[in-house]
Amino acid sequence: ILNVEQSPQSLHVQEGDSTNFTCSFPSSNFYALHWYRWETAKSPEALFVMTLNGDEKKKGRISATLNTKEGYSYLYIKGSQPEDSATYLCAHLESYIPTFGRGTSLIVHP
Amino acid sequence: DSGVTQTPKHLITATGQRVTLRCSPRSGDLSVYWYQQSLDQGLQFLIHYYNGEERAKGNILERFSAQQFPDLHSELNLSSLELGDSALYFCASSGTGEETQYFGPGTRLLVL
Repeated sequence: ILNVEQSPQSLHVQEGDSTNFTCSFPSSNFYALHWYRWETAKSPEALFVMTLNGDEKKKGRISATLNTKEGYSYLYIKGSQPEDSATYLCAHLESYIPTFGRGTSLIVHP
Repeated sequence: DSGVTQTPKHLITATGQRVTLRCSPRSGDLSVYWYQQSLDQGLQFLIHYYNGEERAKGNILERFSAQQFPDLHSELNLSSLELGDSALYFCASSGTGEETQYFGPGTRLLVL
């Protein structure tokens, strides 16, 4: 993998559903992996900074895992709510240079 | 409110002109990152400054330049503007350049 790839590109779920997205990144020269939440007409807001293989981070109903050896990170949202609707971005940092994925657009229907 | 401020919020100018975008980081943050987001692109990293010195450079055009001043605010200068430079320009700040980045509200540039 040469670039940062996120899947799926978009996701529609019902309120209460749990969901997860994937961020794939080059496994060589890993420095850090960031997750951001980006609501329409706002700025990206940091969710997690992950640096170690096997890292698991949690904030409320949102959690993330990291596998640097195989080059992927998962973001999980448990019991999705309409206010979780946003684009979720990941960014791979290699020597202070961040490369962002195109994001996963999540829409949670009431 | 992230604590990062950017001015102006909107800017409309003509091709061939030069503009300066300004960013004030959160109090105490030494790092400033600049990003460009065009309609058909994701967030593109332009340049990173740490405590006044350039630390990393991304896909920044030669027509663009940036600097970080002793008071840690940063300016992004865009010259010989082209239609394709129309985009949303974000700056973000962080403590050491390795931690959480806090994004400003962005400057929307329209080149006519």
